[in-house]
Amino acid sequence: AQSVTQLGSHVSVSEGALVLLRCNYSSSVPPYLFWYVQYPNQGLQLLLKYTTGATLVKGINGFEAEFKKSETSFHLTKPSAHMSDAAEYFCAVSERSSYKLIFGSGTRLLVRP
Amino acid sequence: DTGVSQDPRHKITKRGQNVTFRCDPISEHNRLYWYRQTLGQGPEFLTYFQNEAQLEKSRLLSDRFSAERPKGSFSTLEIQRTEQGDSAMYLCASSLTTGFNEQFFGPGTRLTVL
Repeated sequence: AQSVTQLGSHVSVSEGALVLLRCNYSSSVPPYLFWYVQYPNQGLQLLLKYTTGATLVKGINGFEAEFKKSETSFHLTKPSAHMSDAAEYFCAVSERSSYKLIFGSGTRLLVRP
Repeated sequence: DTGVSQDPRHKITKRGQNVTFRCDPISEHNRLYWYRQTLGQGPEFLTYFQNEAQLEKSRLLSDRFSAERPKGSFSTLEIQRTEQGDSAMYLCASSLTTGFNEQFFGPGTRLTVL
């Protein structure tokens, strides 16, 4: 069964530092890949998605992610963290034959002033 | 710009009571999904509809849970005889049938079972 692993339940960075949140998936067939952000007591907001084509995907708020088939990874990065980036981030996959999203357990990003 | 809405936002109930949640998807979206999220975890898929047809149910969805989407628009999720383990955030999402399964989420209903 498809699974998603997010390394690090908590990541802490200084404001202005690089953000790197890791995501690995288990499927041998490249699925659709998504990153969502969740602020406290709110639903999930889509940051970016990979479906086909270019493996470097740009999203909202300056985030981007790179799909690496050989590593079955889809890590999320942002060059310079802002205090407003503090939130929980979820990586999710959707097999091309299914419609449900399978989520990782999430990474809470803390941004230090 | 009307996104996905859910009602109520919070529900506190006593064990054994029945509860019902409502989800209104984005108007042109044919697919509607329900997920459950417990503290410190990612959302887990419960079920999804395409128009009024319920096409997939997770084995997480016990007999006490039932979902409907009677006219292919809004959906309801009912939990009968609630248990403390049902305490969670219940999230609804919707998407188009075309495209790449990009799902838009509502704010969720937080259920607390005492």
